[in-house]
Amino acid sequence: EPEVTQTPSHQVTQMGQEVILRCVPISNHLYFYWYRQILGQKVEFLVSFYNNEISEKSEIFDDQFSVERPDGSNFTLKIRSTKLEDSAMYFCASSEEGRPTQTYEQYFGPGTRLTVT
Amino acid sequence: QKEVEQDPGPLSVPEGAIVSLNCTYSNSAFQYFMWYRQYSRKGPELLMYTYSSGNKEDGRFTAQVDKSSKYISLFIRDSQPSDSATYLCAKGTGGSYIPTFGRGTSLIVHP
Repeated sequence: EPEVTQTPSHQVTQMGQEVILRCVPISNHLYFYWYRQILGQKVEFLVSFYNNEISEKSEIFDDQFSVERPDGSNFTLKIRSTKLEDSAMYFCASSEEGRPTQTYEQYFGPGTRLTVT
Repeated sequence: QKEVEQDPGPLSVPEGAIVSLNCTYSNSAFQYFMWYRQYSRKGPELLMYTYSSGNKEDGRFTAQVDKSSKYISLFIRDSQPSDSATYLCAKGTGGSYIPTFGRGTSLIVHP
């Protein structure tokens, strides 16, 4: 069964450093997303991406964040200068369609745990 | 005002029990509701979605929406230890396909 994969599973970085989180969405999917989940808190939407551009973003997704689809398979989230409060689980997701339909579903990856020290 | 609220639990039940998981929401600008299951160290997995009030059944799972009281429920029949996970409710609007999640309820089904 196709699945979303993410690397690394755990990333430890020092405050102020840049990190890149990587995702490989399901191959025929067109819409890509990043979410984060701070320990013990809700899953929060960061950004969605379609046709090589951002289609929607939340207030969390400020200038420190960027996304890219550098090739036909990878989807990345970059945090330019990490802060302690960026420590969280980051989930990538992908879907065939962007709008709710009878078969609407976002498939989530297993997540990357980011620890900023 | 928080949009989607869930009791975090944990909710502990014996195998075979009927489980009731609940969620309340505050914003009426919605069109659909979803339940996700999240196992430890995994991403959320969509279990069910529904667009309207009433019940929707899928195997051992039933989702119920009561728009008048802004209440969403997930019932699990004949619960199994493999159902032990965190269950997240989420809602979305027709104008945005991005779900707004609740914090999740931790369910433990013990043999």
